[in-house]
Amino acid sequence: DAGVIQSPRHEVTEMGQEVTLRCKPISGHDYLFWYRQTMMRGLELLIYFNNNVPIDDSGMPEDRFSAKMPNASFSTLKIQPSEPRDSAVYFCATGFLREKLFFGSGTQLSVL
Amino acid sequence: SQQGEEDPQALSIQEGENATMNCSYKTSINNLQWYRQNSGRGLVHLILIRSNEREKHSGRLRVTLDTSKKSSSLLITASRAADTASYFCATDANTGNQFYFGTGTSLTVIP
Repeated sequence: DAGVIQSPRHEVTEMGQEVTLRCKPISGHDYLFWYRQTMMRGLELLIYFNNNVPIDDSGMPEDRFSAKMPNASFSTLKIQPSEPRDSAVYFCATGFLREKLFFGSGTQLSVL
Repeated sequence: SQQGEEDPQALSIQEGENATMNCSYKTSINNLQWYRQNSGRGLVHLILIRSNEREKHSGRLRVTLDTSKKSSSLLITASRAADTASYFCATDANTGNQFYFGTGTSLTVIP
């Protein structure tokens, strides 16, 4: 298995633009997590899914953020409109209930 | 916040020495995990210890868990330059399947 695949690896955009981050989980994993990492706040859990259903989105910072998992093979995290303070590394991770997580390589987002 | 905290924030040692990192957390847990992150990369799972376990070993890694003190430690023995990375503890919520990560310890092993 290729592991958790995230795209793009780097994204540079201007304030106000829409940004879509993508994640392909490891086949068979029934939990998918989106995290954001910054120097100031560390790793923050944004949202997680179980069997494609969002379970807890209390970490999503604002209505500008939305996440979907239309099927077991794909998830997106969308920011619309983006702001400079959204600049961070966004990670997708997958796994099973209360077991270890497998992380993707992350998307480095810079909003100018 | 349910995030844990690692201590120290940064640690610099000579190759061959042992490195000890500590993690404190706030709420009851089912298990605690340790992860490593190399610069510019995703996190890699190292070891998982369940709430009914007190100690666990994996190669050069030794993890302890004290649920009464809500703390854990990670010991890396005979460190190598390749161990240079940031180390994070992660705790799960007592309900649900959320994992909360600590602030991390940055370890530098000097060859």
